[in-house]
Amino acid sequence: GAVVSQHPSRVICKSGTSVKIECRSLDFQATTMFWYRQFPKKSLMLMATSNEGSKATYEQGVEKDKFLINHASLTLSTLTVTSAHPEDSSFYICSAPQGIKETQYFGPGTRLLVL
Amino acid sequence: KNEVEQSPQNLTAQEGEFITINCSYSVGISALHWLQQHPGGGIVSLFMLSSGKKKHGRLIATINIQEKHSSLHITASHPRDSAVYICAVYDNYGQNFVFGPGTRLSVLP
Repeated sequence: GAVVSQHPSRVICKSGTSVKIECRSLDFQATTMFWYRQFPKKSLMLMATSNEGSKATYEQGVEKDKFLINHASLTLSTLTVTSAHPEDSSFYICSAPQGIKETQYFGPGTRLLVL
Repeated sequence: KNEVEQSPQNLTAQEGEFITINCSYSVGISALHWLQQHPGGGIVSLFMLSSGKKKHGRLIATINIQEKHSSLHITASHPRDSAVYICAVYDNYGQNFVFGPGTRLSVLP
């Protein structure tokens, strides 16, 4: 079946630094990828839709300048958390649709801890 | 054996019917999520459960931790409920999400 990978799986950084998270579709091409965030003890929240060749579409309340998304190729989307702060600590997940029925395949997630 | 299984894989119902989707898992979890995916869209998180039962509108989700089983119920189903419903568990050991294969629901008018 289709596989989506994320890298890194865990990252710890200092406040003020930027962190890049990669989402790759390993055996299929994806013109669209989705980024989600999970707050501690909360449900998943859709952050943005990453579109290959065009700007990402952000959900209401998500800061575009804070969470930079680049869909560099048909198999890679990156999420950069800029000037990270402790409140950005969270679990970030991506997904990519594949096939005629656009079944969603999820990455394993990236846990970010900002000190 | 997959860590998270769902049944049925596909379900077609008539408008107004009561619908149940089941999820069973084999790993130790801290939470279970029910997600909804509409065609061409992203994911909507419907519920997060760690015990008991939750209700939101026509949707009800239950979980039995001892039996490692959860159900999602839809009362008075409507064509707009047509979507793929995904059960996802947070694996305590691997510390990551494990997703079920999804149940594709079609509600006919």
